[in-house]
Amino acid sequence: ETGVTQSPTHLIKTRGQQVTLRCSSQSGHNTVSWYQQALGQGPQFIFQYYREEENGRGNFPPRFSGLQFPNYSSELNVNALELDDSALYLCASSTRGSPLHFGNGTRLTVT
Amino acid sequence: AQKVTQAQTEISVVEKEDVTLDCVYETRDTTYYLFWYKQPPSGELVFLIRRNSFDEQNEISGRYSWNFQKSTSSFNFTITASQVVDSAVYFCALSEENTGFQKLVFGTGTRLLVSP
Repeated sequence: ETGVTQSPTHLIKTRGQQVTLRCSSQSGHNTVSWYQQALGQGPQFIFQYYREEENGRGNFPPRFSGLQFPNYSSELNVNALELDDSALYLCASSTRGSPLHFGNGTRLTVT
Repeated sequence: AQKVTQAQTEISVVEKEDVTLDCVYETRDTTYYLFWYKQPPSGELVFLIRRNSFDEQNEISGRYSWNFQKSTSSFNFTITASQVVDSAVYFCALSEENTGFQKLVFGTGTRLLVSP
């Protein structure tokens, strides 16, 4: 059984740029969630996708957007990057009612 | 509003000691889930346990045990006979079940250092 995989592992971007992070969900999982984890903090919920639709969103501005594809993989897009966007971005997959299974994350540094 | 508090920022123990990680939560809902996740240096959050709000039975899994007490809004995690491989950051989390989607609210984590 393949777990949740994320790419890239690390990324360095400049303030104002745009970034796309990718996530392949665990086999059999149809729901994908994204979390942002700042250094020394717990993860914070960005949004969740189910059947290619966003069905829940946390307290993040519209420049954070996402997609889910028919194979349940997902992308997180962040526009107009700010220094505070530097964080570990975690993707998690699940089925309805099951616990979230997380990937290793993408470490984004904005300079 | 939901909130999870992990007051212990960092705990250091010597191998084979028992250690308890505290978690206190706040929620207005009567139906919710509580979780513990482990985050090793690799960054991945590893699922350890999920408990629903109607099940206050303590649970034991090998060296791990969990004590859920609704009266004190606590969900504490004990590692018996700790090992160096237990060194990680441990997160307690809460999710409500009435929103139509699963959103976890995490505490700030407790870093556990187990030395040989």
